[in-house]
Amino acid sequence: EAGVVQSPRYKIIEKKQPVAFWCNPISGHNTLYWYRQNLGQGPELLIRYENEEAVDDSQLPKDRFSAERLKGVDSTLKIQPAELGDSAVYLCASSSVAGAHNEQFFGPGTRLTVL
Amino acid sequence: GNSVTQMEGPVTLSEEAFLTINCTYTATGYPSLFWYVQYPGEGLQLLLKATKADDKGSNKGFEATYRKETTSFHLEKGSVQVSDSAVYFCALLGGNKLVFGAGTILRVKS
Repeated sequence: EAGVVQSPRYKIIEKKQPVAFWCNPISGHNTLYWYRQNLGQGPELLIRYENEEAVDDSQLPKDRFSAERLKGVDSTLKIQPAELGDSAVYLCASSSVAGAHNEQFFGPGTRLTVL
Repeated sequence: GNSVTQMEGPVTLSEEAFLTINCTYTATGYPSLFWYVQYPGEGLQLLLKATKADDKGSNKGFEATYRKETTSFHLEKGSVQVSDSAVYFCALLGGNKLVFGAGTILRVKS
């Protein structure tokens, strides 16, 4: 069974430029998560989708970040414009049923460097 | 709000040494607790979990016991191997949200 797929793995951009990350969850997983992991810290949730609905986006900086999951399968996270402080690893995860005890499966992440 | 505190690293051990990585949490209610591991160049993987007080999670020789009275979930392994070198994250699940600690780097020397 294929795991969570993310692309690109690495991205280097200059500040004020836009950037997008793509995630394909494990087949059949209806819940998808985007996390941001700053250097030396644990991941922090940005947004959670149940199918195509964003059910928790309270931690998403909506002035510059946006996300979509149009058909309830793959998802895109966008930053426009990027700032120096956005340099981090962006992780995507998926699970089969949201709620207690369900294991989240993580992708390898996209490492973003903003110059 | 919910939070997780784990011991700072890096932790450097010789092969076959005993490992303990401390983790304590603050939460409302009774969260589920997890240890995730991140090997170099790979994504986070679930190592073990415990869903209620006094539960013991175990996997690959690692163990952790959910201690409600001390709000702790310390990770232990009796004999580490070089292949255990990784970053270990303690996490809790509360309100459908995973909250992670900062991670502890483990380096095992042969």
